[in-house]
Amino acid sequence: AQSVTQPDIHITVSEGASLELRCNYSYGATPYLFWYVQSPGQGLQLLLKYFSGDTLVQGIKGFEAEFKRSQSSFNLRKPSVHWSDAAEYFCAVGYSGGYQKVTFGTGTKLQVIP
Amino acid sequence: DAGVTQSPTHLIKTRGQQVTLRCSPKSGHDTVSWYQQALGQGPQFIFQYYEEEERQRGNFPDRFSGHQFPNYSSELNVNALWLGDSALYLCASSLEGGRAAEQYFGPGTRLTVT
Repeated sequence: AQSVTQPDIHITVSEGASLELRCNYSYGATPYLFWYVQSPGQGLQLLLKYFSGDTLVQGIKGFEAEFKRSQSSFNLRKPSVHWSDAAEYFCAVGYSGGYQKVTFGTGTKLQVIP
Repeated sequence: DAGVTQSPTHLIKTRGQQVTLRCSPKSGHDTVSWYQQALGQGPQFIFQYYEEEERQRGNFPDRFSGHQFPNYSSELNVNALWLGDSALYLCASSLEGGRAAEQYFGPGTRLTVT
């Protein structure tokens, strides 16, 4: 069964500092990987996705993520965080065959201090 | 291009009652998935509808049921509500035959059971 682990429940960074959110997945085949962002009381917005090909993927709002098969990881990065990036971030793995079920991690809450 | 819409935005029900939540998928999408997101948790997959049939289900009891209409919109019904059913219910739409699991989420319906 597919699963996702986000080891950091809560992260605090200063505005302008770099950011890395960790994500590890468990899946038997090549996964489809996603990062979503959720502002308080809102739905989920897709930041970026990995299906195949280049292991470094670019997303919206200046985010990028790197797929590392050997480490079963898909960490999210941003070189300089803005106060508006404060939100909850979810890593997710999709089933690469058949049905379109997505399994989410428990999320990392990002706080940005001025 | 209209995105995924859900109604109502908020709902308060009493234990034992029944509730119906509604979802209209993104234009051009034909598959609808429902997720439950409890406070402080990641979304949990409830079930998915395609061609008006439930084709995959997560670990949720039969009290949770759904329907998909010919226009691809969908309803989620929950019978005999428990306090533990209080959550944000998210609808996601996707395109069968498209990139598996590339789902677009609505803003959610916040259900409170008292």
